[in-house]
Amino acid sequence: EIVLTQSPGTLSLSPGERATLSCRASQSVSSAYLAWYQQKPGQAPRLLMYGASNRAAGIPDRFSGSGSGTDFTLTISRLEPEDFAVYYCQQYAISLWTFGQGTKVEIK
Amino acid sequence: QLLESGGGLVQPGGSLRLACAASGLTFSSYAMSWVRQAPGKGLEWVSTISGSGDSADYADSVRGRFTISRDNSKNTLYLQINSLRAEDTAVYYCAKDPWYCSGGICYHYFDLWGRGTLLSVSS
Repeated sequence: EIVLTQSPGTLSLSPGERATLSCRASQSVSSAYLAWYQQKPGQAPRLLMYGASNRAAGIPDRFSGSGSGTDFTLTISRLEPEDFAVYYCQQYAISLWTFGQGTKVEIK
Repeated sequence: QLLESGGGLVQPGGSLRLACAASGLTFSSYAMSWVRQAPGKGLEWVSTISGSGDSADYADSVRGRFTISRDNSKNTLYLQINSLRAEDTAVYYCAKDPWYCSGGICYHYFDLWGRGTLLSVSS
């Protein structure tokens, strides 16, 4: 089973700042099978990025994804008030899905 | 959209069947999954079933106790949960995998989620 480790656990930033979230895999992951989700309290997760770097429909361009192999990054260029949430990376391999433990982006 | 139902308070050792009703999509075209989230915890993939229903996969933590199934004539996904344990307490989400292909690359991800149903296991 591929383990995804996200860092940091919590990111304390102010609106307008840049957020950089990391997702590291225990072994190489296909970029096509790496996704990012945003979850706000009491809500279902929402797809942000698929294929590591492709924004989902309706996702603003301040969100970007990059990476390959074992290291992936989600970047929010300028935090808006609605971006404070928990973010999860996810991968698929050999008929199994795994999620990272999440990074909480909180208002500083 | 996806709408889960069937959650509630169940005693340890009991059984329950969750359902996820789909609307506005060609249900049989998509693999469907269950993902759960224990209170205050992260997301945990539980199970996936193919669009036709002829293949399924399970997380090690639930294999042997959970059974995923679907009725494409009713546009509904199911999760049968047996031998319930306290650690099964969670919000259970259903999610759709579009298995989207473009430019020779096929992508796996969950693009549509239900709002979840809460299962509490307690005596």
